[in-house]
Amino acid sequence: KNEVEQSPQNLTAQEGEFITINCSYSVGISALHWLQQHPGGGIVSLFMLSSGKKKHGRLIATINIQEKHSSLHITASHPRDSAVYICAVRYLGNEKLTFGTGTRLTIIP
Amino acid sequence: DAGVIQSPRHEVTEMGQEVTLRCKPISGHDYLFWYRQTMMRGLELLIYFNNNVPIDDSGMPEDRFSAKMPNASFSTLKIQPSEPRDSAVYFCASSFRRRSNTGELFFGEGSRLTVL
Repeated sequence: KNEVEQSPQNLTAQEGEFITINCSYSVGISALHWLQQHPGGGIVSLFMLSSGKKKHGRLIATINIQEKHSSLHITASHPRDSAVYICAVRYLGNEKLTFGTGTRLTIIP
Repeated sequence: DAGVIQSPRHEVTEMGQEVTLRCKPISGHDYLFWYRQTMMRGLELLIYFNNNVPIDDSGMPEDRFSAKMPNASFSTLKIQPSEPRDSAVYFCASSFRRRSNTGELFFGEGSRLTVL
């Protein structure tokens, strides 16, 4: 059983819709990363969170440490947002990342 | 800085051949990670270094895999002999963690390996 659970696994939406991707983990962490990977492409780090909320352009990431849950939101979604979004956590006392299985997002024009 | 630089971007080789993947981390970063990505298993950590010293190599599949970091600006991942099941995309990533910096990760573009 993967210790990092993402939902949904696949998401298709119309351009302009508000998108939410969820990530849950099992034990205490020192940081949570949201990564983006375009088809056939490299991996880009979108956010690194240890508490609260971060915003970058149309992207917002939140984390609730008590509930062991994080969300990635995309406002005014655009076809170029189509990618796989991966949640990864770094557990306390460890530099290793444990990855979720990813959410494949497709935005239709 | 040009970011994390990996080479080659693509490699096709025959089973039994030696494969060497290279990585140049971002200057000043003190952590370097090698990951492997496959359709079946997703992203997996193979090994990571801190200040050029290997810290955890528990993800290295077997003795055919080895990694070195002779200095702060260069690392290699070697597979000898290669097998078809080693076909994957290999990513190198680096980060900087000192005091309050919690270590954002920067990935290279990846090296796509195909072993025939």
